Amino acid sequence: GESVGLHLPTLSVQEGDNSIINCAYSNSASDYFIWYKQESGKGPQFIIDIRSNMDKRQGQRVTVLLNKTVKHLSLQIAATQPGDSAVYFCAENLDGATNKLIFGTGTLLAVQP
Amino acid sequence: GAGVSQTPSNKVTEKGKYVELRCDPISGHTALYWYRQSLGQGPEFLIYFQGTGAADDSGLPNDRFFAVRPEGSVSTLKIQRTERGDSAVYLCASSLQTSGTGELFFGEGSRLTVL
Repeated sequence: GESVGLHLPTLSVQEGDNSIINCAYSNSASDYFIWYKQESGKGPQFIIDIRSNMDKRQGQRVTVLLNKTVKHLSLQIAATQPGDSAVYFCAENLDGATNKLIFGTGTLLAVQP
Repeated sequence: GAGVSQTPSNKVTEKGKYVELRCDPISGHTALYWYRQSLGQGPEFLIYFQGTGAADDSGLPNDRFFAVRPEGSVSTLKIQRTERGDSAVYLCASSLQTSGTGELFFGEGSRLTVL
């Protein structure tokens, strides 16, 4: 996606609500799609991945949906908590033999108490 | 520690100087990656090592950037003749295997500021 510089897209939710973070990807040949969480001053942290032959995968409080028709990926977080506040990045793994990732523009999730 | 360790955490240097950034991956992880993250953007791939060799250095922006991993563990990213545009957070990540789901373990990064 396009860089938005300092102005990250922001999603503001109330504690306890569900959050949905969206991402558009560009390469139809990507083998895996991944979500990372990055807290301020820290490195990205792996959340969940989904292979290109799947359309849904669930983890603990998180669900990733993949729509290959429109090249769209989403991350759903159930019962959002203050500790979920962070920047969330989607990433594509173009080469299934390595972990060379292409990251998208992040979304800042702000959880209001 | 059990995670990826990067030093220094912060480096301020003057334009034209030489800089080295070090990464100590998780023990046993054979694959090591360097990414660069500018403010407000996602990490951008620089180079990846499988063992001692650089398997893909296609993300290095120019020949001022070089990385080594001589013994297949610790890696050093070297930047010559630094420019203000090199200012960013340099992230190192490792993984147990190259065959990729995309799960990387990142360090906290080295923030480089070139004055």
